[in-house]
Amino acid sequence: DAKTTQPPSMDCAEGRAANLPCNHSTISGNEYVYWYRQIHSQGPQYIIHGLKNNETNEMASLIITEDRKSSTLILPHATLRDTAVYYCIVRVEEGKSTFGDGTTLTVKP
Amino acid sequence: EAGVAQSPRYKIIEKRQSVAFWCNPISGHATLYWYQQILGQGPKLLIQFQNNGVVDDSQLPKDRFSAERLKGVDSTLKIQPAKLEDSAVYLCASSLEASGGRYNEQFFGPGTRLTVL
Repeated sequence: DAKTTQPPSMDCAEGRAANLPCNHSTISGNEYVYWYRQIHSQGPQYIIHGLKNNETNEMASLIITEDRKSSTLILPHATLRDTAVYYCIVRVEEGKSTFGDGTTLTVKP
Repeated sequence: EAGVAQSPRYKIIEKRQSVAFWCNPISGHATLYWYQQILGQGPKLLIQFQNNGVVDDSQLPKDRFSAERLKGVDSTLKIQPAKLEDSAVYLCASSLEASGGRYNEQFFGPGTRLTVL
């Protein structure tokens, strides 16, 4: 599975959009981009995934660049409850999930 | 829908002792995963089961760790003997299927926090 690179930490003001970047320059054509988040003392929670096209669900939007070498997770209106560690993972459908150390997002009032 | 259940939630043992963790996945989920998460790091996959067969155990320290998934449902992870560096949170996750689907969302349990003294 391709390796991902994420900034170790980011801050965001409550109510503003949080944009979390992820680099995956060695991604293969059959690898999906997944995002999970982990709130303190809980197990990771799935957020969203995509292959080529941008995706949106009730939690977030995922923007994947045309060359698929990077992506951005967007939380449109961050709340204090969005403070968590966010993991970007690339994997094939049947492949294992290799978690890096993620980005710690702190939403501030 | 009930989530992934794990027990115990906390365990403290001394080094060289044995310990076992239990996981009950979401009903109907074919794939079960065990992860080790050391403080400050992301989860590391230890073993992946598809029904009751092992798909990937390449990162499982087989000299001291073992896992089984009897009847393709519940699973246990055992450490014998434990070392200080085994102190971590052990997460169990399950998913509906490992292949053939468009995606493979993993549902995680709350984890078991192990402290080895």
